[in-house]
Amino acid sequence: QQQVKQSPQSLIVQKGGISIINCAYENTAFDYFPWYQQFPGKGPALLIAIRPDVSEKKEGRFTISFNKSAKQFSLHIMDSQPGDSATYFCAAKISQGGADGLTFGKGTHLIIQP
Amino acid sequence: DTAVSQTPKYLVTQMGNDKSIKCEQNLGHDTMYWYKQDSKKFLKIMFSYNNKELIINETVPNRFSPKSPDKAHLNLHINSLELGDSAVYFCASSQGQGRYGYTFGSGTRLTVV
Repeated sequence: QQQVKQSPQSLIVQKGGISIINCAYENTAFDYFPWYQQFPGKGPALLIAIRPDVSEKKEGRFTISFNKSAKQFSLHIMDSQPGDSATYFCAAKISQGGADGLTFGKGTHLIIQP
Repeated sequence: DTAVSQTPKYLVTQMGNDKSIKCEQNLGHDTMYWYKQDSKKFLKIMFSYNNKELIINETVPNRFSPKSPDKAHLNLHINSLELGDSAVYFCASSQGQGRYGYTFGSGTRLTVV
């Protein structure tokens, strides 16, 4: 059973456009929702994260929107640039107790066309 | 000044062999992890370990075992390697149950032939 579902699997966006990646989770105990960016041959790197007490968080061109009632969250990349081309993973975890690791979505391969 | 470093970066070995992957973090984090990324890029946690507790994902075969000589190191030992073990293995670390995020190494690509 996959606890974090991510879509789309791949996405092509023109330079300057908005990239949108969506995730849905099942476990209501999740209380930390990060997004990771991975370039080929590199490990995932934390991009931005949100906790369920806020509905939106913005850092530069990257925004997370969070809908607790729908158990969904999304990443918006404004003014997408070719350097943003990478694989993006949403993730979730339970902050306190139990297994401490992240549960990842299956990833979105994003290509920004010049 | 690599925060989380793994060695080797590439590892090619034959079925049935035993191999180890080393991981070191210089961030002073209290918890370390091993993740497996399969050919479809799906990331799945294998182990979570701090100096008090080892948590094992129940789907991980017991041929895989983490060894932590100290707080800054978490090595991964794999016995009797199988073709299906081919993947990229990532070490990661965090502080305070990850409330400040996780830092990943650059991965070890294991190929079993």
